[in-house]
Amino acid sequence: GAGVSQSPSNKVTEKGKDVELRCDPISGHTALYWYRQRLGQGLEFLIYFQGNSAPDKSGLPSDRFSAERTGESVSTLTIQRTQQEDSAVYLCASSLRLGSLGAFFGQGTRLTVV
Amino acid sequence: ELKVEQNPLFLSMQEGKNYTIYCNYSTTSDRLYWYRQDPGKSLESLFVLLSNGAVKQEGRLMASLDTKARLSTLHITAAVHDLSATYFCAVGGEGATNKLIFGTGTLLAVQP
Repeated sequence: GAGVSQSPSNKVTEKGKDVELRCDPISGHTALYWYRQRLGQGLEFLIYFQGNSAPDKSGLPSDRFSAERTGESVSTLTIQRTQQEDSAVYLCASSLRLGSLGAFFGQGTRLTVV
Repeated sequence: ELKVEQNPLFLSMQEGKNYTIYCNYSTTSDRLYWYRQDPGKSLESLFVLLSNGAVKQEGRLMASLDTKARLSTLHITAAVHDLSATYFCAVGGEGATNKLIFGTGTLLAVQP
């Protein structure tokens, strides 16, 4: 596609429920990143994928968070047993390769846990 | 651990004035980005700076990098209302990846 696409754009969920967030990277981009942005704050790195290499999960805040990516296509970020502190905008970005200059960001998914 | 500090956090300025946003980071890095974010929108890449002394300019914005001081600046010349947004600096972490560490952002409000 023309840009990085994320869905849903907004998600309201009850505390304790699981949610899945989806990211469609730019076609041909081998690297994909997930970031979290809490209200009024900068972005926190969560995880990145590069082709078929093992992902760097070092930013995932707890074992309730997981992400998958099949090949160089769609990625899903799953949050299990959501908590109110998980409320944030989750941003996905992709780049041509892992170290390419400039990652392109999607519009984000605004997650609200009530 | 790489840390990025940005200041000021909030900047209210009048149209036509000049100002500078500062970004300090704690360890060496091979790249520094400046991004703009409008309310409810995603991030727009403004500049990427790779080497000591690098200076890039686009319109009323100019970014510079001093790797020895671990400092980047974003200078705004003759501000206009359209520049109102939140500006983030982000520094590349270990290895040549886009595992970026972001500053807290500067909310710029340009008053007409």
